[in-house]
Amino acid sequence: DVKVTQSSRYLVKRTGEKVFLECVQDMDHENMFWYRQDPGLGLRLIYFSYDVKMKEKGDIPEGYSVSREKKERFSLILESASTNQTSMYLCASSSQRGGRDEQFFGPGTRLTVL
Amino acid sequence: DAKTTQPPSMDCAEGRAANLPCNHSTISGNEYVYWYRQIHSQGPQYIIHGLKNNETNEMASLIITEDRKSSTLILPHATLRDTAVYYCIVRTRGGATNKLIFGTGTLLAVQP
Repeated sequence: DVKVTQSSRYLVKRTGEKVFLECVQDMDHENMFWYRQDPGLGLRLIYFSYDVKMKEKGDIPEGYSVSREKKERFSLILESASTNQTSMYLCASSSQRGGRDEQFFGPGTRLTVL
Repeated sequence: DAKTTQPPSMDCAEGRAANLPCNHSTISGNEYVYWYRQIHSQGPQYIIHGLKNNETNEMASLIITEDRKSSTLILPHATLRDTAVYYCIVRTRGGATNKLIFGTGTLLAVQP
């Protein structure tokens, strides 16, 4: 069974802290994505990566950075957490192999910044 | 990317077919229609996609009108576990930047 896992389901941090959100997929997918989801705004793309060490900005990259040192792992970093980064964070992965490119999502991390 | 319009909410009786509409009047010729759903407190889940022909898989059927300006997702025998927000998305396929743009979707409530 295909799987995308995220390091935490719930996380509480203080303003100014450095926060790491980890995502791991076991499907050998080349593409990985980080979204955040807020009520009334739907899912918004923060960053994505289409290969190891490659990264591209999404629609709302400000205040975030990412790291992809291994194919299966994609990390989202909040350099200095702020209260407006309180949100649900979703990781996804996909591949174009076999003509299918649907995205598989992890369970999400609900981050609260106090 | 083309935008989609969906009703904010729908009800369906358990065991009956759920028909979820989506309007995408500005869809381009190379854009596909994708459906995802998100059950409460879970990540989104892919359901089905299509270009212009009707599609069916183990989860649902997708009916796309001939002019491709609208489509309907059909869950043939809805169960309580199908209660979720359903997202209709139009996008091109493939390429390195195959990001999804989610709108606010339709909250389907399956009633016992």
